Amino acid sequence: QKEVEQDPGPLSVPEGAIVSLNCTYSNSAFQYFMWYRQYSRKGPELLMYTYSSGNKEDGRFTAQVDKSSKYISLFIRDSQPSDSATYLCAMSGRTYKYIFGTGTRLKVLA
Amino acid sequence: DTGVSQDPRHKITKRGQNVTFRCDPISEHNRLYWYRQTLGQGPEFLTYFQNEAQLEKSRLLSDRFSAERPKGSFSTLEIQRTEQGDSAMYLCASSNIVGFTDTQYFGPGTRLTVL
Repeated sequence: QKEVEQDPGPLSVPEGAIVSLNCTYSNSAFQYFMWYRQYSRKGPELLMYTYSSGNKEDGRFTAQVDKSSKYISLFIRDSQPSDSATYLCAMSGRTYKYIFGTGTRLKVLA
Repeated sequence: DTGVSQDPRHKITKRGQNVTFRCDPISEHNRLYWYRQTLGQGPEFLTYFQNEAQLEKSRLLSDRFSAERPKGSFSTLEIQRTEQGDSAMYLCASSNIVGFTDTQYFGPGTRLTVL
């Protein structure tokens, strides 16, 4: 079993839809949770950074962490075609070594 | 705004050749990371430096791989006797520890193709 599980998709949604992206993990020592966006053949770009449990909102993006269920989510409101990319979850314990999910490919249709 | 830069962006080499990649982190970032990413997968940790000290190496980093960060500034990743299985995107990231926060910023990557 991988430490971090993420559905690879692809996920296709119409423009303006609310997108929900999720990861599950097995290591209870993880306490730092990140979401990155990666366009094709580019490096990952940090979207959200969350410490421990709770919600964090930044513009159209909301990150949620449920440590009791070992489950994290990223919500994108009013999705745009420019949001089409691969979304990677990453997490770490106190070692700061990030463990990434495989990424979910998102396509927002105009 | 000078982010993390990597050079070259693309490298095509023949099996058995040596290759070297360079990473220039965000200035004054004290931590530097190397990851490898293959198609359809997330980045996998290879190694990281705190200033010039290499603090952790993944078991993915065979003895053909070596990384350096002289003087705690730029870093190089060398692969000796390349194999076709080394074909991947090599990503560099840097961060600056603030309290318990270690936000890693990635460069554009170097795409390696071994023929």
